[in-house]
Amino acid sequence: SQKIEQNSEALNIQEGKTATLTCNYTNYSPAYLQWYRQDPGRGPVFLLLIRENEKEKRKERLKVTFDTTLKQSLFHITASQPADSATYLCALRISSGSARQLTFGSGTQLTVLP
Amino acid sequence: SQTIHQWPATLVQPVGSPLSLECTVEGTSNPNLYWYRQAAGRGLQLLFYSVGIGQISSEVPQNLSASRPQDRQFILSSKKLLLSDSGFYLCACQGQSFYGYTFGSGTRLTVV
Repeated sequence: SQKIEQNSEALNIQEGKTATLTCNYTNYSPAYLQWYRQDPGRGPVFLLLIRENEKEKRKERLKVTFDTTLKQSLFHITASQPADSATYLCALRISSGSARQLTFGSGTQLTVLP
Repeated sequence: SQTIHQWPATLVQPVGSPLSLECTVEGTSNPNLYWYRQAAGRGLQLLFYSVGIGQISSEVPQNLSASRPQDRQFILSSKKLLLSDSGFYLCACQGQSFYGYTFGSGTRLTVV
């Protein structure tokens, strides 16, 4: 069966360090992968999209890698700040259907300690 | 850019009562629309999606239903709520040229 796993439910790091979150998937051949940020009681907010033919994408302090051989994406936040504390979700487009549906991982809750 | 209005923000309903959650979209036409449910500390479960007016696909059998009476309006309904229907409900849209989803602010439903 198809599965998306994010490496841990919670991750604590010190301010200024680089946070690295992992998203692994099985039995998918996704056309692209996305990362979202979700704050408590709010809807997720789109951060980055990386396509299957892209190895890396950057946006300000964010960097995403996509390894289709390992079936893994890494999400990095450099120079982390307490304001980066949130839950981060990865999402894959499933291969079937015409509605470009996304399947979401359960998320990793990141806490950046001052 | 796309904007989703979703209401109400919180709702407490007794078991067996009906439900109607609504979301409307601005800033795009002919979007794909989605209803997700998120249990506490869990991921997003896709409930329904729609690619056009009157077109609804259900992902999970349950006592919920969805309707899309207008291009930018998506409604989630139930005739009789169950305790297990409690959760955080999110409406999302995807425009034709942008692959990311835009989410509404969510409805926290508690069935008592």
